[in-house]
Amino acid sequence: GQNIDQPTEMTATEGAIVQINCTYQTSGFNGLFWYQQHAGEAPTFLSYNVLDGLEEKGRFSSFLSRSKGYSYLLLKELQMKDSASYLCAVRDGDYKLSFGAGTTVTVRA
Amino acid sequence: IAGITQAPTSQILAAGRRMTLRCTQDMRHNAMYWYRQDLGLGLRLIHYSNTAGTTGKGEVPDGYSVSRANTDDFPLTLASAVPSQTSVYFCASSDSTGATDTQYFGPGTRLTVL
Repeated sequence: GQNIDQPTEMTATEGAIVQINCTYQTSGFNGLFWYQQHAGEAPTFLSYNVLDGLEEKGRFSSFLSRSKGYSYLLLKELQMKDSASYLCAVRDGDYKLSFGAGTTVTVRA
Repeated sequence: IAGITQAPTSQILAAGRRMTLRCTQDMRHNAMYWYRQDLGLGLRLIHYSNTAGTTGKGEVPDGYSVSRANTDDFPLTLASAVPSQTSVYFCASSDSTGATDTQYFGPGTRLTVL
């Protein structure tokens, strides 16, 4: 099976920066995804990394180090609407996605 | 553009009853997936289909069956529901011929088995 770890909860202040770490051990690697999921809603795609380095998309950035089995999602200029769960998912050698349990981010005013 | 639709939105079911969760996508994606999401466990793959006419087992397939008669529809059936199948079920689809093969999710079905 796959092993994907991310913190359970994080709290930050509006306007601040939060970094959500994800470590993984999988049989094969074919990309890492980050999804955002608001309470009671479906996961929505945020970012995709398959090569080492940083991918920037507006206020959100995602980093990958394949040799370390490590990724992070960086959320800048936090807004109240960013309060959600953030899911790290790894596509393995069989092209199946395995998800971490998710990190619940709470943004305080 | 509807994307992916699921029905019903929620359902309360007596144990032992048969139930089919419906999933339809209009993006012409070749691949479709069923996940369940339970608190603290994240999303777990139940069954998948890489193309119409083929299906495969995921991480937690026991008690569930699927069919893929055409590109758009991918129903999930619980033959005889048990309380441990209480969960939120998400259907997803992807274009596996695309560069990233990103999965897109439906709104989910909240199922309670009593």
